[in-house]
Parts: sequence; structure tokens; C-alpha cells
Amino acid sequence: KAGVTQTPRYLIKTRGQQVTLSCSPISGHRSVSWYQQTPGQGLQFLFEYFSETQRNKGNFPGRFSGRQFSNSRSEMNVSTLELGDSALYLCASSESPQGYEQYFGPGTRLTVT
Amino acid sequence: AQSVTQLDSQVPVFEEAPVELRCNYSSSVSVYLFWYVQYPNQGLQLLLKYLSGSTLVKSINGFEAEFNKSQTSFHLRKPSVHISDTAEYFCAVIAGGTSYGKLTFGQGTILTVHP
Repeated sequence: KAGVTQTPRYLIKTRGQQVTLSCSPISGHRSVSWYQQTPGQGLQFLFEYFSETQRNKGNFPGRFSGRQFSNSRSEMNVSTLELGDSALYLCASSESPQGYEQYFGPGTRLTVT
Repeated sequence: AQSVTQLDSQVPVFEEAPVELRCNYSSSVSVYLFWYVQYPNQGLQLLLKYLSGSTLVKSINGFEAEFNKSQTSFHLRKPSVHISDTAEYFCAVIAGGTSYGKLTFGQGTILTVHP
């Protein structure tokens, strides 16, 4: 099976803009989780979707949102970008209905200038 | 809430030496445990998992980890490391029940293998 894919791989945006990142899970995986990775804060959970429903959410401001489509593909959106949003955004998918064993994509490197 | 502590931020070793990367967790409920490895400019690769059964789990490339419930630990070991094992290693936990899809990670341990 193909692994988790994320597009784009690299992105440069300006403060105040918005951005949409895309994630295609492993075929058959219905749980999709998103994480932010920064040198200072490490890996932090953003949210998880299963069957188009957000089941869990991390401690991030409302500028961070996501959605999942009927084919399990997921997108996350960040509005009104801040410099501190510069990070590697990782998507992971799981075959487990509880989202336990997760397989990660290569990530999207977002730079905000 | 769960938390994970990786006791060493950096571990330098020589090639063919043994290594142990330490991980402790805290949780009030049962957890499932994982080790992930990250190479530069890449995503995370699942290295080992403990879901149930034998407390000693092994990977295909020689790593092993042992779940110790009484000490709330899940240390990663390899008897003989290679240059190619140089990477950052993350310990992660997820609580059983309703922690849907939420892995909690440690801060990572950078393993550097010297020739």
C-alpha cells in the first residue's frame, strides 16, 4: 500500500495570510491525526478526524481548523498566519478505530515570513 | 492527562556499542506505547509498538523495548548500533478509551553514532 502523502511539502507564506494543507491517508485508514512539530515545543497534537467527524482536539487557537472528506482525505487550515506558526505539520493515519497505531506522512514545512 | 519524559536529549555512542534510550510516562489510565524514529527532513517512522501481550517487543532492525508497568517505563535498547541508526527517537503514548488519535510525545532523544 502507498504510505501517507502530504501536499505541498514546502510552503512559504506571509503573516496574515491563510494556508491549507492536504493529507491522503493509507488506503483503508479512516482515522487521521494532525501534529505540529517545532524545535521549542516538540510534537503537539492538533486534532483527529474519523468518518468526517472531529473526535479530538488539542490546545490550539481557533485559527487552526480541519476537515475530513468521505474518502478519508483530510485538510487543515490555518488562518491569519503568525510567525510562530512556522513549523513542520505532520499528518498520520490509523487503521485502528481508536487511532492508536499511527503512520506518518513526510510532513509539510511551513515558513511564515 | 498523559505525559512522556525522555531522560536524555542527546546520546552519543560509538559504532557497534550498545545503547539504551530511556522513556518514562505518566498516566492514570492504561496506555499503549510507541517508539518512532525521525531522520532529517522526514516524517516519523514507527519503530516499535506495545499494544498488548508480551512486554518485550522487537523491531526487524535489532531494536527492542520493554514495557514495565510498575516503573512506568518503555526503554529502547539495541545491543550493537550502526552509523545508519543516527537519528532522533521519540517515545509516545496514547491512552486507552476516548483519547482518539492523540499521541503524546516525549521531547526526543538525538542518537549520534560515531565511527
